[in-house]
Amino acid sequence: DQQVKQNSPSLSVQEGRISILNCDYTNSMFDYFLWYKKYPAEGPTFLISISSIKDKNEDGRFTVFLNKSAKHLSLHIVPSQPGDSAVYFCAALPMNRDDKIIFGKGTRLHILP
Amino acid sequence: NAGVTQTPKFQVLKTGQSMTLQCAQDMNHEYMSWYRQDPGMGLRLIHYSVGAGITDQGEVPNGYNVSRSTTEDFPLRLLSAAPSQTSVYFCASSYSPGRFGYTFGSGTRLTVV
Repeated sequence: DQQVKQNSPSLSVQEGRISILNCDYTNSMFDYFLWYKKYPAEGPTFLISISSIKDKNEDGRFTVFLNKSAKHLSLHIVPSQPGDSAVYFCAALPMNRDDKIIFGKGTRLHILP
Repeated sequence: NAGVTQTPKFQVLKTGQSMTLQCAQDMNHEYMSWYRQDPGMGLRLIHYSVGAGITDQGEVPNGYNVSRSTTEDFPLRLLSAAPSQTSVYFCASSYSPGRFGYTFGSGTRLTVV
């Protein structure tokens, strides 16, 4: 049973526009949610996280929104740039388990010129 | 500061052979993990450690062993390689996984023939 779900395998967005990546989760007992970015032949890179007690966290062009009632989070990238083309993984950290991060299957983002 | 170093980068094994994937970090992180990435499956946790001398199983531990004799090193051993273990393996470490996420190595691409 997948606890962290990214239902869109891929997404194409025009350069300069907003990219919105979505993630749903099934377990209410997550402490933190995280987003990672991955280029081919490289390891994932941590982008941004949000605590379960907050509903928004912002870092430069990246903003993560958490809707606990809907068990949904999203990553907004504004404005989208060519270097943002990558696979994005949503991940969640269970409460009292500060080690066992659970990842979604990823969404491939294509930024179109 | 090299971060997380994985060796080798590529490896081809014959079915039944054993080998050790090396992982070292120089950031004095207590938390370390091994993940495998397969097409359409995202990142799946194999084994993890919350400090020297402490290890535990993740989602897909069968066929793999780990040990953590020092803070810096977290080797992953394949006991008897099988074609199903063909994958890309990532080692990661963290000071605080929720707040700062894990720092990943660049991966080891393993093919079992």
